[in-house]
Amino acid sequence: DIQLTQSPSSLSASVGDRVTITCRTSQTIDTYLNWYQQRPGKAPNLLIYAASTLQSGVPSRFSGSGSGTDFTLTISSLQPEDFTTYYCQQTYTNLWTFGQGTKVEF
Amino acid sequence: QLQLQESGSGLVKPSQTLSLTCAVSGGSISSGGYSWNWIRQPPGKGLEWIGYIYHTENTQFNPSLKSRLTMSVDRSKNQFSLNLRFATAADTAVYYCARGTYYFDSSGYAFDIWGQGTLVTVSS
Repeated sequence: DIQLTQSPSSLSASVGDRVTITCRTSQTIDTYLNWYQQRPGKAPNLLIYAASTLQSGVPSRFSGSGSGTDFTLTISSLQPEDFTTYYCQQTYTNLWTFGQGTKVEF
Repeated sequence: QLQLQESGSGLVKPSQTLSLTCAVSGGSISSGGYSWNWIRQPPGKGLEWIGYIYHTENTQFNPSLKSRLTMSVDRSKNQFSLNLRFATAADTAVYYCARGTYYFDSSGYAFDIWGQGTLVTVSS
């Protein structure tokens, strides 16, 4: 299995901050890396696919980068609705796996 | 706008079978190129991909669950289903169905549409 390690597991930030979350994979996955946002009690919502492509309808303050084993999700200016949990996911192999999540707190 | 809706028993006894159905509306499950997935999330924990089925009935399962898992698709009802045998407390989770989409522009693959999720508790 490909293991995904997100860092940090949680972070404290304020509205307007620039926030970066990292996802490291246990083996190279090219750019088969996605990012999801999950609000409490809700299903995950796709933000970024293929490491850096913004899903339709997602605000442009979200961006993704990376390839191989190291990836980042950046929120350029944190908004109140962004205080929630983020997951990375790899779809490189036939066993799709997720990171453990990063909680962005006020 | 395509929508997914999970349904099934919210309480399952240990050793019995956990059965869920995902109804697809606003589009056809037989549209080519999409996989139909199940993902679960134990309370307070992270996400685990369970497996997928195509409208052709081709499947791919998480090896950790493969021996207990069956998936099926009913094209006439536009829905797909999951059966997980010999349920234990470790199977207690919110279960989501989701559509898997291949993005030709970037060779990416992701879950772009999700159901709202349904909580299944395994307990006597």
